[in-house]
Amino acid sequence: NAGVTQTPKFRILKIGQSMTLQCTQDMNHNYMYWYRQDPGMGLKLIYYSVGAGITDKGEVPNGYNVSRSTTEDFPLRLELAAPSQTSVYFCASSYSSTLYFFGPGTRLTVL
Amino acid sequence: KNEVEQSPQNLTAQEGEFITINCSYSVGISALHWLQQHPGGGIVSLFMLSSGKKKHGRLIATINIQEKHSSLHITASHPRDSAVYICAGEIQGAQKLVFGQGTRLTINP
Repeated sequence: NAGVTQTPKFRILKIGQSMTLQCTQDMNHNYMYWYRQDPGMGLKLIYYSVGAGITDKGEVPNGYNVSRSTTEDFPLRLELAAPSQTSVYFCASSYSSTLYFFGPGTRLTVL
Repeated sequence: KNEVEQSPQNLTAQEGEFITINCSYSVGISALHWLQQHPGGGIVSLFMLSSGKKKHGRLIATINIQEKHSSLHITASHPRDSAVYICAGEIQGAQKLVFGQGTRLTINP
């Protein structure tokens, strides 16, 4: 099993550009999450999904969108990148009431 | 509001010392997760606890439900244990985590 994979590992965007961060898990987990981690800060939940076709907002959803068309994939879309979205983004997955598995992260810089 | 607080924020110790990191949480948290974030940035789940104690190698996690407190202990600490340790509470009925700020642990040889 590859676990949770994320692409890309690094990206630099200009203000106003858009991009999609990809996340895939091969553990058949129903729950998937997107977090952001700003320097020296804790993880903040952006969006999460309890299963294919179901998504919901977390603490900091503004400026982002998600979709969950399959169990495996949970892409995060940034439509109009802003400097405030410079962060490290982690995707995670879990099965009900079990350990969480995290992807390696995507380091995004918006200039 | 669901909250998780960790202490200390930073901890430096010598190789071989016994390490304790503490976590307090609010009402509405049904389980406690301990995570390790390596210097390279990757995050690994160590434990999930809703009661009692769990052990894996030199790591021990305990939880006291009545006091809403959990501890992570490392025995015979080693420089490779240097990392940020994060306590996270699972919000009751929601399958979501709320995170503490993390404890940066440095073990010197």
